[in-house]
Amino acid sequence: AQTVTQSQPEMSVQEAETVTLSCTYDTSESDYYLFWYKQPPSRQMILVIRQEAYKQQNATENRFSVNFQKAAKSFSLKISDSQLGDAAMYFCALLNYGGSQGNLIFGKGTKLSVKP
Amino acid sequence: DGGITQSPKYLFRKEGQNVTLSCEQNLNHDAMYWYRQDPGQGLRLIYYSQIVNDFQKGDIAEGYSVSREKKESFPLTVTSAQKNPTAFYLCASSIVGKGGRETQYFGPGTRLLVL
Repeated sequence: AQTVTQSQPEMSVQEAETVTLSCTYDTSESDYYLFWYKQPPSRQMILVIRQEAYKQQNATENRFSVNFQKAAKSFSLKISDSQLGDAAMYFCALLNYGGSQGNLIFGKGTKLSVKP
Repeated sequence: DGGITQSPKYLFRKEGQNVTLSCEQNLNHDAMYWYRQDPGQGLRLIYYSQIVNDFQKGDIAEGYSVSREKKESFPLTVTSAQKNPTAFYLCASSIVGKGGRETQYFGPGTRLLVL
């Protein structure tokens, strides 16, 4: 069975500082995608960053980067220069390559607060 | 603008009533999805469709029904058989590439409340 675990229900960061959100997953597949989604108070799910498992290079999108450790099945999100608008729920998600094998599996989320 | 729209934003259901949530996309995506989110939880898949006139049950399909008559539209009906329908409902869509269904993009959601 595929699972995604986010062990930090809540995190807090000072504005302009850096924070790392943790995610571990389990899958028997060798090819898959990993995602971080952000859900602000408006509740719309917004894609933050995506990583293909076959790529060794960690994905980066502006202030957001990941640390993808395939052997350890770990996929953490680093937010640099945190801004007040980063405050939201963050969900880690797993999608096996070859779609019919499975669907997007979400963790339970980490609530990030940003202090001014 | 390309995107996914959901309506209504809020929906109230009376006991024994069926209600339909709308989801439309103009991204030319093949696949569409419905998720349910309960407080403090991640998303759970209700139904998905990879192609017009075909759809598959997700993890929690009981009490729900869908149709996919057009590529752009994937309405979800919450039937009276769904005993606990109060939740936030999110629709998503994605392309279907060489690797199957790929990155999903979400609509703004519909909040369903039972009167």
